[in-house]
This record gives sequence, C-alpha cells and structure tokens, in this order.
Amino acid sequence: GESVGLHLPTLSVQEGDNSIINCAYSNSASDYFIWYKQESGKGPQFIIDIRSNMDKRQGQRVTVLLNKTVKHLSLQIAATQPGDSAVYFCAETFFGYQKVTFGTGTKLQVIP
Amino acid sequence: GAVVSQHPSWVICKSGTSVKIECRSLDFQATTMFWYRQFPKQSLMLMATSNEGSKATYEQGVEKDKFLINHASLTLSTLTVTSAHPEDSSFYICSATRLAGGLPSGELFFGEGSRLTVL
Repeated sequence: GESVGLHLPTLSVQEGDNSIINCAYSNSASDYFIWYKQESGKGPQFIIDIRSNMDKRQGQRVTVLLNKTVKHLSLQIAATQPGDSAVYFCAETFFGYQKVTFGTGTKLQVIP
Repeated sequence: GAVVSQHPSWVICKSGTSVKIECRSLDFQATTMFWYRQFPKQSLMLMATSNEGSKATYEQGVEKDKFLINHASLTLSTLTVTSAHPEDSSFYICSATRLAGGLPSGELFFGEGSRLTVL
C-alpha cells in the first residue's frame, strides 16, 4: 500500500485573521520561489512567486517575504477565509528552469 | 489561462497490470513536462522530466523501466506504471511550462492529478 505519511504541520487560524506560513528552502543558489495551494485531491495551484532580487512581493490578499540570508520564505494571507483552507507548499528553482523542488507543506485550517 | 489536463483522474487496477496516465497541455505547447508523485500527507516528489522527442530524465531512485514516460508530441506526455503493485498507489501529478518566445515563461501549470490505487 501507500507509505505511511508524515503529519503535515498544521496552522489553525480564525476566519478574518491573518495567516503566516513559513518555509525553509534548501538551495542557496535557487533564484526563484513559488507558493502553491493544494486542495484535497487536486493539483497544486499557483499563488504567488518571487525572484531572488526581491525580498517582498504582494498580490491580492497575499504577500511573500524572502530572506536569503537564512533561506527562509513566508506567505502571509490577509483576512483569511474558509476557502483558504488547504495545504500550502513553497517551491524553489532557477527562473526559467521549470524543474522545482517542493517544501514539506503546511496545512492551513480556517476556523469559521 | 494555460491549462494542463490529466486523464484519468482516478484509476483502480489489479496488482501486476499496467496503467497509463496522460498529461495534456490544452492551449499551449510544452517541450518539457514533469511528473511528480505524492503520497498522503507528503510533498510532491519529482519523478522524471519528460522531454518531447527524446528520452525522459529520471530522478535518482526512480525506476525507468517501472515508470515509462513517452512525450510524443508538444502537448502530450504519458506515464505508464508497469506491473503495478500496491506500493505504487499514489497521487501522480504532471506539470508543464508554457513557452514564450521559445523560452520557458517561468510559470508552471499543474494538472489536477491522477489517483492510482493498486489492489
């Protein structure tokens, strides 16, 4: 059968509050980072990306922060909604390279 | 927007049989597609890079004779799980990048995944 899975870290947030999901990436040479949202039984969905020449990028209700010194990414979701409940993955690659390495993922649970 | 479609979305098969999963880029051409495997509560693990018109490149530890990849056109890659066993049960996901001016656009598009259950 399938491998026994690890338990994803879970972040529980009250609806309307802000969420912060953190990720440590592995390759200091990576220059392009992406956050994906994955709902149960579906493929990853692009949320926001950032290149290594930036330390912050904002989208609609989402902000990504990049700290290259400590190889850390974070995804901030403003005014979290029930529809934001999903597993969030960070991914690293080289821009234009197409092949990405995914982080371990964080499950976001929004409490109505 | 660009769409990547996978078929079937789920499949159940008997141990020892082979299963083919298709990945199509619906409104763009993709010279390269990627196949990932995801076990429950785990991340996506890259299995192989599918190259149009040439052999696939497999990640370390992935058996190329077990997971056959064919990328016969610019819009279709197939993954065949040969002689499937219960440990092959997993969620298989493909991705592709739309080309812009002959170069990867930088944005990956993922399929919806194919759930394989081997009895």
